[in-house]
Amino acid sequence: DAKTTQPNSMESNEEEPVHLPCNHSTISGTDYIHWYRQLPSQGPEYVIHGLTSNVNNRMASLAIAEDRKSSTLILHRATLRDAAVYYCIPWAGTASKLTFGTGTRLQVTL
Amino acid sequence: DAGVIQSPRHEVTEMGQEVTLRCKPISGHNSLFWYRQTMMRGLELLIYFNNNVPIDDSGMPEDRFSAKMPNASFSTLKIQPSEPRDSAVYFCASAGGGKETQYFGPGTRLLVL
Repeated sequence: DAKTTQPNSMESNEEEPVHLPCNHSTISGTDYIHWYRQLPSQGPEYVIHGLTSNVNNRMASLAIAEDRKSSTLILHRATLRDAAVYYCIPWAGTASKLTFGTGTRLQVTL
Repeated sequence: DAGVIQSPRHEVTEMGQEVTLRCKPISGHNSLFWYRQTMMRGLELLIYFNNNVPIDDSGMPEDRFSAKMPNASFSTLKIQPSEPRDSAVYFCASAGGGKETQYFGPGTRLLVL
């Protein structure tokens, strides 16, 4: 499994953009980069994923480095409901394991 | 769709008792995953199934743990006998239907006294 490195915690003010970085230097060429988040007392939920190109959805944007050794999850306007632990996970797809690291705990303040 | 359904949501039992956790995956999904989360160890994969067949059970802690998936719509995780160190939140997730994402259930919070 590819190893990932994320900051343990980050803070943001509400309605400001947040950039959550992730290093995955040992990612294989076929692994997608997935991001999940876990809100307090809930199961993890899917946020976004990509392979090589930057991706956008209604929750967030994902910027992937050209060499695919790192990526950044972008929350364009953080809200209090975005306070969660965010996990960056290289994943080969439904027939393979999804390995969660320690993630980044995002705190959002008024 | 109701999402992944887990039962019970909370379970309190005494050491030595048998515990059975249940999971109903999202209809049409062909992969099912069991995870355990504790403060000390974080979120760890116990076992996963593809098309009802166990693919990787290397995360199952020991012989006291067993998991089955008798059909595409039901899976169980059994602990026999249970021990206090098994206390954790157990999550079930499913994936498939052409989408490369896992959908998690609400979890079962297990406390073994």
